[in-house]
Amino acid sequence: DAGVTQSPTHLIKTRGQQVTLRCSPKSGHDTVSWYQQALGQGPQFIFQYYEEEERQRGNFPDRFSGHQFPNYSSELNVNALLLGDSALYLCASSLWTGGYTFGSGTRLTVV
Amino acid sequence: AQSVTQLDSHVSVSEGTPVLLRCNYSSSYSPSLFWYVQHPNKGLQLLLKYTSAATLVKGINGFEAEFKKSETSFHLTKPSAHMSDAAEYFCVVKITNAGGTSYGKLTFGQGTILTVHP
Repeated sequence: DAGVTQSPTHLIKTRGQQVTLRCSPKSGHDTVSWYQQALGQGPQFIFQYYEEEERQRGNFPDRFSGHQFPNYSSELNVNALLLGDSALYLCASSLWTGGYTFGSGTRLTVV
Repeated sequence: AQSVTQLDSHVSVSEGTPVLLRCNYSSSYSPSLFWYVQHPNKGLQLLLKYTSAATLVKGINGFEAEFKKSETSFHLTKPSAHMSDAAEYFCVVKITNAGGTSYGKLTFGQGTILTVHP
């Protein structure tokens, strides 16, 4: 049974560019959450998607946006990249009632 | 709003000695509490969770944690450390409101890096 799959595993972008990260949830899960983990910090909640709608949002600017598809997979988009956006981006899937499984993350480096 | 404080950023123990990782939380409502472990360049793995059942929770790999409401604490312990336990550990809180609605946001502590010496 596949767990949460994130792609790509690593990428390097230039300041001002845009990036799209992808997440395939664990089989049977219908909810996807995204977290940003800066170096030496705990993960910070970005937003959560359920039934293709953003249900909750953390304290992140509008440059961070997302999408959930009918097959429950999700994308995280970040526009106008800043050096401070360099981090490990984690996707967590769950049922709406809870029970989280995390992916291994995408390491984004902005230069 | 909820918050989590991990009282030690680094803990160092010898193999075979007990492990104690401390966590205090703040919450206006009934919390669910979790401990996750993160090995280098890996994702987060759930060690154990408390969801208002027994206050002493047993997890994987010999870890356990005790929920103490009066002290707002949820400390993680293990009787005997192994070299493979070396990793970063996160205490996490999730809020359920008075009506029983569970909000999806997980709030993480800053993490405790556990070093195990031979």
